[in-house]
Amino acid sequence: AQTVTQSQPEMSVQEAETVTLSCTYDTSESDYYLFWYKQPPSRQMILVIRQEAYKQQNATENRFSVNFQKAAKSFSLKISDSQLGDAAMYFCAYRINAGNQFYFGTGTSLTVIP
Amino acid sequence: DTAVSQTPKYLVTQMGNDKSIKCEQNLGHDTMYWYKQDSKKFLKIMFSYNNKELIINETVPNRFSPKSPDKAHLNLHINSLELGDSAVYFCASSQQGAFQPQHFGDGTRLSIL
Repeated sequence: AQTVTQSQPEMSVQEAETVTLSCTYDTSESDYYLFWYKQPPSRQMILVIRQEAYKQQNATENRFSVNFQKAAKSFSLKISDSQLGDAAMYFCAYRINAGNQFYFGTGTSLTVIP
Repeated sequence: DTAVSQTPKYLVTQMGNDKSIKCEQNLGHDTMYWYKQDSKKFLKIMFSYNNKELIINETVPNRFSPKSPDKAHLNLHINSLELGDSAVYFCASSQQGAFQPQHFGDGTRLSIL
């Protein structure tokens, strides 16, 4: 079964600090892709960052970076210099190379404290 | 220049009614999806079409019927609406190729009275 687990339903971070959101997944596939999406109160789903499983180098997008540990099936998101606009639900997802389906975690609600 | 557009954004209706939500994407993607997001924010896949062909059909009441007239459109029709259908429904699209992310519409908030 393909599953994605986000073990932190809620997290908070002080503005300008760093926070890490965890994500683990379970798959028997070796070729897949990982994504983090952000859903602010406006309810739009916005792609934050993505990672190819065959690449060892961790993806980075400005203040957002991932820690991808393939053997541990872990894909955490690090947000540096947190801003008020980072407050949102964050969803981890993955997609196997041979399929069209995306598997989503249950989300982590991030609060940024001024 | 909206990429994935859903209409309506809000839908308030009585139990037992029939309603439709429309979705269109102008990204040239070949795959479209419907998701249901409940009050706890869980995202549940409902259906997916690839080039007008149904490829994902999760356990969803048969009151829900998707229809894809062409690969740029995927509509969702719901018959005999029930209280438990209240949720936000998201349409999404993606291109073939696993590194391609999904692009989401803004969602339709369905409220059943």
